[in-house]
Amino acid sequence: QQQVKQSPQSLIVQKGGISIINCAYENTAFDYFPWYQQFPGKGPALLIAIRPDVSEKKEGRFTISFNKSAKQFSLHIMDSQPGDSATYFCAANSLGGYSTLTFGKGTMLLVSP
Amino acid sequence: EAQVTQNPRYLITVTGKKLTVTCSQNMNHEYMSWYRQDPGLGLRQIYYSMNVEVTDKGDVPEGYKVSRKEKRNFPLILESPSPNQTSLYFCASSFHTSPETQYFGPGTRLLVL
Repeated sequence: QQQVKQSPQSLIVQKGGISIINCAYENTAFDYFPWYQQFPGKGPALLIAIRPDVSEKKEGRFTISFNKSAKQFSLHIMDSQPGDSATYFCAANSLGGYSTLTFGKGTMLLVSP
Repeated sequence: EAQVTQNPRYLITVTGKKLTVTCSQNMNHEYMSWYRQDPGLGLRQIYYSMNVEVTDKGDVPEGYKVSRKEKRNFPLILESPSPNQTSLYFCASSFHTSPETQYFGPGTRLLVL
């Protein structure tokens, strides 16, 4: 079963626009929510992550918003740039003992010049 | 340089011919994992290892074997590959206490004819 649902599957945004990717989870034991960024031909790399004790985390142009009651979290990319074009994966993890991540299916983002 | 290496990067083989994909990390990480990435399905975990001689099944272990005889190495073995194992494979590693920083290898693209 899919424990982390990610949408949309693909996204086209104009340069300077805001990219928004959403994820929802079911397992209430999840308590850590990272986002990974993957460029073509490369492995995924950690982009930003949040724990449920905060509702928002910002790093530069990237912001995670977290809604614990709705079991949803989202990635916002402000002032999107062509260099942001990549596949983005949300993930979830339970920190209670071991580090197995459950990934969403990914969103392919294309930022047009 | 801290890294996860995988070999080979590309492999074409035929059904039933045993193959091994190697994975090595130089960061002294306890945790290592194998994922496969397929279009529309995202990243799915095949096997993971919490430490030397400790391995466990992920979400899609059928048709795969792993071993963890040394801390730095975590090979993925396909005893009798089938066409449905054609995929992009990633190895990842992290410290057990820092799941937020999983380092991914560059990937191995496998085609089984």
